[in-house]
Amino acid sequence: GENVEQHPSTLSVQEGDSAVIKCTYSDSASNYFPWYKQELGKRPQLIIDIRSNVGEKKDQRIAVTLNKTAKHFSLHITETQPEDSAVYFCAATELSGGYQKVTFGTGTKLQVIP
Amino acid sequence: SQTIHQWPATLVQPVGSPLSLECTVEGTSNPNLYWYRQAAGRGLQLLFYSVGIGQISSEVPQNLSASRPQDRQFILSSKKLLLSDSGFYLCAWNRGQGIGGEAFFGQGTRLTVV
Repeated sequence: GENVEQHPSTLSVQEGDSAVIKCTYSDSASNYFPWYKQELGKRPQLIIDIRSNVGEKKDQRIAVTLNKTAKHFSLHITETQPEDSAVYFCAATELSGGYQKVTFGTGTKLQVIP
Repeated sequence: SQTIHQWPATLVQPVGSPLSLECTVEGTSNPNLYWYRQAAGRGLQLLFYSVGIGQISSEVPQNLSASRPQDRQFILSSKKLLLSDSGFYLCAWNRGQGIGGEAFFGQGTRLTVV
């Protein structure tokens, strides 16, 4: 099955700096890679995603890159703000036996210091 | 539009008591359904997933079971809770067909076993 590793587990940055979170996956059949943000005590919510036929995607201060050959993808947050503080999860989704299976990374706790 | 309902939001149960958490999805048909558990400060551990009525796959051996009596209803159960069952339980769904898509999470149930 799929195995997703995520690093770092915790990350502290000064407000205005950039933050980078990296994930690797093991199954080349995975074709969809979403990123979720989970604020304290709340549900994870999608912030950006990328499909296997795209190398990079950007949405305002957030960008995601995908290297299919190396099986890794990264989340980049620029000009960080205190409200970016949360736990971020990467995930890899594979179509297996006619259904989708989502495997999450272990999460990165991001703290943006004002 | 699609919505997902999960209840109760919080639950305190004594060791050895039964458990039943319910999740329902509206506005879609034949979704994939998932139960995740999140221990404090930890990642999302997949417990069960279901691709159709009566079809349940378990990811890890545990004290819990799941059932899908209707297309859009997913239930997490236990006959006798253990202290180690404490955690934040999340139900989620995504589309059952086609290439990978966003997973939508319920609000979560914070279970404390005392």
